Amino acid sequence: ETGVTQTPRHLVMGMTNKKSLKCEQHLGHNAMYWYKQSAKKPLELMFVYNFKEQTENNSVPSRFSPECPNSSHLFLHLHTLQPEDSALYLCASSQSGGAGNQPQHFGDGTRLSIL
Amino acid sequence: DAKTTQPTSMDCAEGRAANLPCNHSTISGNEYVYWYRQIHSQGPQYIIHGLKNNETNEMASLIITEDRKSSTLILPHATLRDTAVYYCIVRVANGAGSYQLTFGKGTKLSVIP
Repeated sequence: ETGVTQTPRHLVMGMTNKKSLKCEQHLGHNAMYWYKQSAKKPLELMFVYNFKEQTENNSVPSRFSPECPNSSHLFLHLHTLQPEDSALYLCASSQSGGAGNQPQHFGDGTRLSIL
Repeated sequence: DAKTTQPTSMDCAEGRAANLPCNHSTISGNEYVYWYRQIHSQGPQYIIHGLKNNETNEMASLIITEDRKSSTLILPHATLRDTAVYYCIVRVANGAGSYQLTFGKGTKLSVIP
């Protein structure tokens, strides 16, 4: 139990569908992250939120739309995805401030498959 | 952030100590060393981090050389559940509110019964 919960764990969708991934952290952190992990590739940072404000968009296509309504919840809205978007999508959170050395804690991810 | 070098794979007998090395010869003074692991089909799990002193927690010990150019993660009594890919990451802690973690290829640790 890492304190970061992602739902659903698995998702299969067609290219024309719209779905959302949800992340909730119970650690009192104020920074939240979306990462993508494709098969046999390292993690790629997608989006960063700090105190609900988006601080980084790592050149992610607009078919991925993040939302952070508060410091505990993070969503990733998906629409008209492509087969190459099939991957493990990971959410993480961290505590900002202080020395800035606090680690990120990850959820177990959503395994997304695009048909 | 400084680059790290880790062996591609290692084996360890169950019940023995697993010592995972990491080379970070270009590390700078304000960069921390972090260790994560990823078990198949799960998210990365934070293990431990340190700056220059050795650190120990309930999961592992982190030994950092005096010149800080290398470190070793020690799992004192490896179990089959410790089979995973272990990542050594070096990053600047500059007080920024958020930061990117850059994962390399890591070390695939196999614990053998």
